[in-house]
Amino acid sequence: QVQLVQSGAEVKKPGASVKVSCKVSGYTLTELSMHWVRQAPGKGLEWMGGFDPEDGETIYAQKFQGRVTMTEDTSTDTAYMELSSLRSEDTAVYYCATDSRVGIFDYWGQGTLVTVSS
Amino acid sequence: QSALTQPASVSGSPGQSITISCTGTSSDVGSYNLVSWYQQHPGKAPKLMIYEGSKRPSGVSNRFSGSKSGNTASLTISGLQAEDEADYYCCSYAGSSTYVVFGGGTKLTVL
Repeated sequence: QVQLVQSGAEVKKPGASVKVSCKVSGYTLTELSMHWVRQAPGKGLEWMGGFDPEDGETIYAQKFQGRVTMTEDTSTDTAYMELSSLRSEDTAVYYCATDSRVGIFDYWGQGTLVTVSS
Repeated sequence: QSALTQPASVSGSPGQSITISCTGTSSDVGSYNLVSWYQQHPGKAPKLMIYEGSKRPSGVSNRFSGSKSGNTASLTISGLQAEDEADYYCCSYAGSSTYVVFGGGTKLTVL
């Protein structure tokens, strides 16, 4: 059974960056395809990007290209999502989720609330 | 504006059946049998309920079923129970450049 435990809530000022972590247990990170999905308050789910095993690369939603970086530390089985140039519209709960096959997100972290406010 | 279109809300009484639609295009829902459905209770992470259009993960009740016709996928919940009250999201693979798109979500109210 895969378990994903994310880092705690963050408060950031506009223009800053935030880095959210997602610790994997039950499996090793190399066995998984990790993705990130966010949800603004009262809004729907929005896919941000993740590892595509078909071509072995990390892919990002066009909306976040240039502002988001997803990395992995296989020595600690921890995935990271860093979002830069934060603005108020980035206030959201950020989830890590494992992708068993192109959009089948079968395990989810508990979510990390990122608040962007001056 | 979400890529996939869902009704904002649906409702039903305990024991009844409801269906939630998810309309996409020939570039996503219509091209791939890779629609998944997620249930989300307030303050909780989403939970996978249906994948590949009609398959249920282990542990998901057989009251939940999925189907697809053309560019529209559907989630049906039969024998509605109070604990089914939640938000439901559809998601579809949309090709290697877009990867996936989500629907805007549907709030299910059990009357």
